[in-house]
Amino acid sequence: EADIYQTPRYLVIGTGKKITLECSQTMGHDKMYWYQQDPGMELHLIHYSYGVNSTEKGDLSSESTVSRIRTEHFPLTLESARPSHTSQYLCASNPGYSSYEQYFGPGTRLTVT
Amino acid sequence: GQQVMQIPQYQHVQEGEDFTTYCNSSTTLSNIQWYKQRPGGHPVFLIQLVKSGEVKKQKRLTFQFGEAKKNSSLHITATQTTDVGTYFCGGGTSYGKLTFGQGTILTVHP
Repeated sequence: EADIYQTPRYLVIGTGKKITLECSQTMGHDKMYWYQQDPGMELHLIHYSYGVNSTEKGDLSSESTVSRIRTEHFPLTLESARPSHTSQYLCASNPGYSSYEQYFGPGTRLTVT
Repeated sequence: GQQVMQIPQYQHVQEGEDFTTYCNSSTTLSNIQWYKQRPGGHPVFLIQLVKSGEVKKQKRLTFQFGEAKKNSSLHITATQTTDVGTYFCGGGTSYGKLTFGQGTILTVHP
C-alpha cells in the first residue's frame, strides 16, 4: 500500500471560505498531481509538480492554487470556495523514474454549501 | 490537446461472463496504464504497457497495447462480483502526465 495521505477526508464548508486540502507522501517521489473527480466521472488533472518549487496547471482549468515547498508536501488551496467547487479531489504521486505508475491518496470529498 | 476516449461507459454482466473495455487516444502514447476504482474508493494501479503490440496477463485480466500505441483494451474472463468498479485507462506522456479516459463502470450480477 502506498504511503500517500490526504486530509481532511470529508469537508463541508460555506461559500466564500478559504480552504486548504493537504497531501503528503513519504516515498520521496518527485512528481505529484492533483485531480478533480465528480462522482462516477473521469479524473481531470488540475495541477502537477515535478519537484520542489515546480508547479504547473493541468488540463482542466481550476481556480485553485498549489505550492511545493517540500518534496513530501503538495497542498491545494481555494481562496474563496463556491458550490461549483463541490467535488472529490485526489492527490497522486510517482517516482519519476523507471515506472510511470501513479499512487493515489484516499481523496478529499469537498462540499461547498 | 491529447484526448483519450474509453468505451463502453457502462457494462452490466452476469457473473461468469466476460468483459472488455476499450481505450483510444487521439495521439501516440508513450505508455498506457490501467486503474481500478472501487465505489467510494480511489484509483488503484493495475498495469502499465509500454511496447507496441504488448500483451500482459494478470490472472483473469488481459491487457493489450495496440501496434500504433494509440489504443488499448482490458479483458476480464469469467467475471466475479469482486471485479465490480470503474476501470480507467490513462494515456501517458514521457513526462509522466496521464490523460484519463472517461472510465467504464462494471456491474456484475450474481
